[in-house]
Amino acid sequence: QKEVEQDPGPLSVPEGAIVSLNCTYSNSAFQYFMWYRQYSRKGPELLMYTYSSGNKEDGRFTAQVDKSSKYISLFIRDSQPSDSATYLCAMSAVLTGGGNKLTFGTGTQLKVEL
Amino acid sequence: DTAVSQTPKYLVTQMGNDKSIKCEQNLGHDTMYWYKQDSKKFLKIMFSYNNKELIINETVPNRFSPKSPDKAHLNLHINSLELGDSAVYFCASSPFSGNTIYFGEGSWLTVV
Repeated sequence: QKEVEQDPGPLSVPEGAIVSLNCTYSNSAFQYFMWYRQYSRKGPELLMYTYSSGNKEDGRFTAQVDKSSKYISLFIRDSQPSDSATYLCAMSAVLTGGGNKLTFGTGTQLKVEL
Repeated sequence: DTAVSQTPKYLVTQMGNDKSIKCEQNLGHDTMYWYKQDSKKFLKIMFSYNNKELIINETVPNRFSPKSPDKAHLNLHINSLELGDSAVYFCASSPFSGNTIYFGEGSWLTVV
């Protein structure tokens, strides 16, 4: 079993829809949770960063973390064609000695259609 | 101004060759990384350096040797390339005590 599970999609939605992307994980040591967006032929771009359980909102994006269920979500409101990309969840535990080892999900490919 | 830049972006080479990928960051971060993304888009850490010192080495074959001449640069040298090395290699950086990692644009390596 992988440490982080993510539905690969593809997920196709009409413009303006609310999108829900999810990941589950098995390692209870994970404390930091991130969502990255990756456009085709580009590097992952950090979208949202949360620590521990709770919600965080940034514009049209909301990240949710439920540590008791080992489940994280990213919601995109009023989705736009420019949101079409692969969304990767990532998480990490605290590393001694500094640095950070991110464990990624496999990514969900999202297409927002006109 | 590119924060994390890596060269070359595309590299096609024959099996058995040796090649290098260079990375530079201008964010003032102390920690740099190499990640590998396979054909299924799975992204996995290979190495992490903090201020020129190796912190993380994730069961990567000895043919892969990272080198950090200073904290703004982390290069990846690969010896005796194999078909299975074909992937996208991402350089990244983060503050020493930070938990947010910033990625470069990637280097697409194809071994034929």
